[in-house]
Amino acid sequence: EAQVTQNPRYLITVTGKKLTVTCSQNMNHEYMSWYRQDPGLGLRQIYYSMNVEVTDKGDVPEGYKVSRKEKRNFPLILESPSPNQTSLYFCASSLYPGQGDEQFFGPGTRLTVL
Amino acid sequence: QKEVEQDPGPLSVPEGAIVSLNCTYSNSAFQYFMWYRQYSRKGPELLMYTYSSGNKEDGRFTAQVDKSSKYISLFIRDSQPSDSATYLCAISGATGANSKLTFGKGITLSVRP
Repeated sequence: EAQVTQNPRYLITVTGKKLTVTCSQNMNHEYMSWYRQDPGLGLRQIYYSMNVEVTDKGDVPEGYKVSRKEKRNFPLILESPSPNQTSLYFCASSLYPGQGDEQFFGPGTRLTVL
Repeated sequence: QKEVEQDPGPLSVPEGAIVSLNCTYSNSAFQYFMWYRQYSRKGPELLMYTYSSGNKEDGRFTAQVDKSSKYISLFIRDSQPSDSATYLCAISGATGANSKLTFGKGITLSVRP
């Protein structure tokens, strides 16, 4: 089944404790992206990757890191999480960026930072 | 002005009603227009896709684009409780910085049985 998977689905952590949210897609997509979704603010892009070893900042990159060492994986790293990073996070992938290409979303990771 | 503005909602309608969801955008370079549907505790999924002005129909759903007014709409006929979800418009251009998909904030629709 073609899909984007994320782990963990739910995470409660404390301020400053490094964490990684994994994302993997099995559709051989070039483009991958991380979003956070907050009430009243909608979906905001954190980072995106056009291909292996190519990553760039989205609209709200502060406090986050990403890497793209393999085509299928695009982990999101929070080196020192803070309470304002409490949010619902989505990983997405598409064959190519732009040109109306459908983005496939993972199931989401709900993160709470205490 | 934000690139994509979407009516904030929430919206509650009785079963069988016609629903109209709307977005406006500011960048005339945008040419790909999409609607995503997001059920509770799920990721968004593509519902409708249109390119250029005009209407596109898929069952009970019609997507409408008016590029001259920079206005897009999603109509749902004979709405069902299963249509209860958050609907996000998403727009992009063809190349460069415009190729990034820009989402509206989403509107939560509830269809009452």
